[in-house]
Amino acid sequence: EAAVTQSPRNKVAVTGGKVTLSCNQTNNHNNMYWYRQDTGHGLRLIHYSYGAGSTEKGDIPDGYKASRPSQENFSLILELATPSQTSVYFCASGDTGHNTGQLYFGEGSKLTVL
Amino acid sequence: GEQVEQLPSILRVQEGSSASINCTYENSASNYFPWYKQEPGENPKLIIDIRSNMERKQTQGLIVLLDKKAKRFSLHITDTQPGDSAMYFCAASASGTYQRFGTGTKLQVVP
Repeated sequence: EAAVTQSPRNKVAVTGGKVTLSCNQTNNHNNMYWYRQDTGHGLRLIHYSYGAGSTEKGDIPDGYKASRPSQENFSLILELATPSQTSVYFCASGDTGHNTGQLYFGEGSKLTVL
Repeated sequence: GEQVEQLPSILRVQEGSSASINCTYENSASNYFPWYKQEPGENPKLIIDIRSNMERKQTQGLIVLLDKKAKRFSLHITDTQPGDSAMYFCAASASGTYQRFGTGTKLQVVP
C-alpha cells in the first residue's frame, strides 16, 4: 500500500500569514500533486511535480507556490494566506510517467484562514 | 476543453438496489478513467478504473462503462449496501496530462 503522509493535519492561520503544507511519500513515485477539495467543486489541482526540482502549475495555481526538493517531499506554500484559501488540501502521488495511473492520496490537511 | 462533468451531485437509493453515476469529459485524447470513493473524514481511494481500450470493466459489485464516441463513462454499483454510502469521484486523464476530477456524487444508501 502506497504511503503518503501530510503535515500538519489541521492548521489555523491568520490572513496575510505564511502557511506551508508538507507531503512525504515513501513509494518512490515520480509524480506528486496538490489538490484542494471544496464542496461543489470536487478536487482541483493546484500544483504538481514530475520529479525532484520540478514544479508545474495546475488548474488553480494563483496564490500558491510549490517546492519539490527531493523525490519524497513536495510542499505547498501560501505566502500570503487569504480566507478564500480555507479548504481541505490533499497531496497525492502516482507511479506512471504519463499520468495515466492510480493516485495515492494523503490523509488531507484542513486549513482555516481567519 | 478539459472539464469533467459528474451527475448527479446527490443520489439516494434503497438498500439492495443499484446506483448509477455518470461523467462526461471534453478531451478526446483522454485514455484513463478512474473512480475514487471517499468516506467521511478520509482520503479518496481508487475503487475501479478503465482504460480507453475497454468498454466495460467489472469487479466486486462495481461496473464501469466507457463510451468513447459520446465521451461518457459511468459507474454502476449493484446491490447497494450501507457501506457504499460515501462520496464518489470520477476523473479523466490523457497521456502526459494530470487527472481532472468531477465535482463528486454523494451516495446515500437507505434501509
